Formats: sequence, C-alpha cells, structure tokens
Amino acid sequence: QSALTQPASVSGSPGQSITISCTGTSSDVGSYNLVSWYQQHPGKAPKLMIYEGSKRPSGVSNRFSGSKSGNTASLTISGLQAEDEADYYCCSYAGSSSTWVFGGGTKLTVL
Amino acid sequence: QVQLQESGPGLVKPSETLSLTCTVSGGSISSYYWSWIRQPAGKGLEWIGRIYTSGSTNYNPSLKSRVTMSVDTSKNQFSLKLSSVTAADTAVYYCARGPLGDNWFDPWGQGTLVTVSS
Repeated sequence: QSALTQPASVSGSPGQSITISCTGTSSDVGSYNLVSWYQQHPGKAPKLMIYEGSKRPSGVSNRFSGSKSGNTASLTISGLQAEDEADYYCCSYAGSSSTWVFGGGTKLTVL
Repeated sequence: QVQLQESGPGLVKPSETLSLTCTVSGGSISSYYWSWIRQPAGKGLEWIGRIYTSGSTNYNPSLKSRVTMSVDTSKNQFSLKLSSVTAADTAVYYCARGPLGDNWFDPWGQGTLVTVSS
C-alpha cells in the first residue's frame, strides 16, 4: 500500500478559504467513505478534525469541512485564522486486509 | 475523558527489540480497537497496526514480519514490540484509540520518541 498523496504545502491569508487534497486509489479513498483528517501543531499529537469523510467531532469548528470526489478527498478550511497554521494529514481505510494509510501531510501557512 | 500515555525506553540498539506500552485512563480499554502509529522526524504518519481487546490483530504489511501487539485488559494497557530495529525505525511513536468505525483515530497519546542507535 502506498501513502496517500497530499500537496506539501498550501497557504492563505486570514479570512480566506483553502482546500487540501488527498489523492488515493480505487482501493482506498475511491472505494470507501472512510477518510479522516488530522491537524498537528509542532511537537503535539495529531487531533481529529473530520471523520467519515465529512463529519466533524464535537468541538471542531464548522470552518472545517470535508468532501470526496472519486479517488480524491478534500479538506476545506474557511475563514482562515492564525491558529489554523499546522500540518494536516488525511487517512483512509485501505481495504479488505484491514489496513489504514495516511497521506504525506500538508503544511498550512497562514500569511 | 479517555487519555492515553505511552511509556518505554527512549533508546534502543540496532538489531534489538523496541518495546512500548500504552496505558489507557479515564475509561475502559474493552470493546475497542487500539492502534500504534509512528512519525519519523519531519515526516508523515505511518499506521503500524491495531489490536482488539480480544487480542485480534492487524498489521501494516510493510512491518508485519517484525511487529507484535498484545493487550492486558486487567491493567488497561496494550503494547507494541518491533524486532530487529534499524535507524529507520527512529520515530515518535503514538498510541491511539481506533480505528473507530473502521475510520478514525481518537484520542491519541502525546507520543514518545524512540531513537535507534548504538
């Protein structure tokens, strides 16, 4: 299984919206609505932001939203804030062998 | 709420076995899957494997030959053993609950750095 493909970096100004893509294959992202997204600040553990492709856990801002089209999942952050600056990782169920695969991560810079 | 804490040696010699334990507090370990995930410095996350409280396991195919996970429900703990380690196994190791719903991992432990060096 190969890591999911994410852009290495994205940036945006406060108040703007950005989208981070996560591209897999028909064996993982494309076959299941089982993508989750995590936010990781430097030196901290990842934090769940989106699960089942588009659902937000309690306490996560509604500025964060998830979607999927074909083999690509996306995380959109609207109304960018300085505190959103972090690394973001996607994760997908990878099939019948019961394994999970992460993306390589995307560094979000708030300009 | 549920909290996880990793523990174990921070330094392991090449060719030896890395051993870590995750202690779950604030809730029962029973009836959930529990995973180990690692992150080399400056790199992305890698799922290592999961264990159910019955002892059933699934491992990352790339690590399967070297990984053993176990669970001790009486102590609310689960463990990871990774054999024949090399410098490439140097990473921060996280324990996490899940995958939940075959999907997400939450919560995570704070992570523990394991360095493989002689």
